[in-house]
Amino acid sequence: QSALTQPASVSGSPGQSITISCTGTSSDVGDYDLVSWYQHHPGKAPKLIIYEVTKRPSGVSNRFSGSKSGNTASLTISGLHTEDEADYHCCSYAGSGTWVFGGGTKLSVL
Amino acid sequence: QLQLQESGPRLVKPSETLSLICTVSSGSIRHSNYYWGWIRQPPGKGLEWIGSIYYSGSTFSNPSLERRVTISVDTSKNLFSLNLSSVTAADTAVYYCARLHYDYASGTYKGFDQWGQGTLVTVSS
Repeated sequence: QSALTQPASVSGSPGQSITISCTGTSSDVGDYDLVSWYQHHPGKAPKLIIYEVTKRPSGVSNRFSGSKSGNTASLTISGLHTEDEADYHCCSYAGSGTWVFGGGTKLSVL
Repeated sequence: QLQLQESGPRLVKPSETLSLICTVSSGSIRHSNYYWGWIRQPPGKGLEWIGSIYYSGSTFSNPSLERRVTISVDTSKNLFSLNLSSVTAADTAVYYCARLHYDYASGTYKGFDQWGQGTLVTVSS
């Protein structure tokens, strides 16, 4: 069970859109529609923003959207706000009750 | 609003056992729609799932940590706990407890939807 692969960092300007990729294998991301994404501001608890690849919990802005193609899931944030600056982590079910996270991506809003 | 709070020693010596408790408040741990999990983040690294437990006691662990991990639940006290044995400096991390939403009716999972604030545990002599 290896960690999912995410870019270490991405950046964008306010109002722009960015996409963060999350690459796994046919045993996790590719096999289950159970990818979730978490927004994590330093020193705070991570916050669930996407589950089951594309679904948003109640209260999460529709500027956040998720998708998946093959072994790669993606998180898109549209209309960037300065408060979107945070770390973003993907997570996938890997079978037999186990879960695997990505290495995290630091989003800078310049 | 459900709250989770981690507690336990902040400093553990190498080769000893790391022990943490997660106390759940404003909600019952005995709910069919939730698992309860432990996740950690070493300094400068990503999140790592350690393991999960159901209120019935059924557990799942990260294969890379399985030999050293014990997760248990105490429904009478509304808490669950983590023991990680034979620790080394590589186990230094912020440890989070979290709730995993499980839709019992459909058998699917809806993410780790509630988290504790996390507690930094340092392994050092």
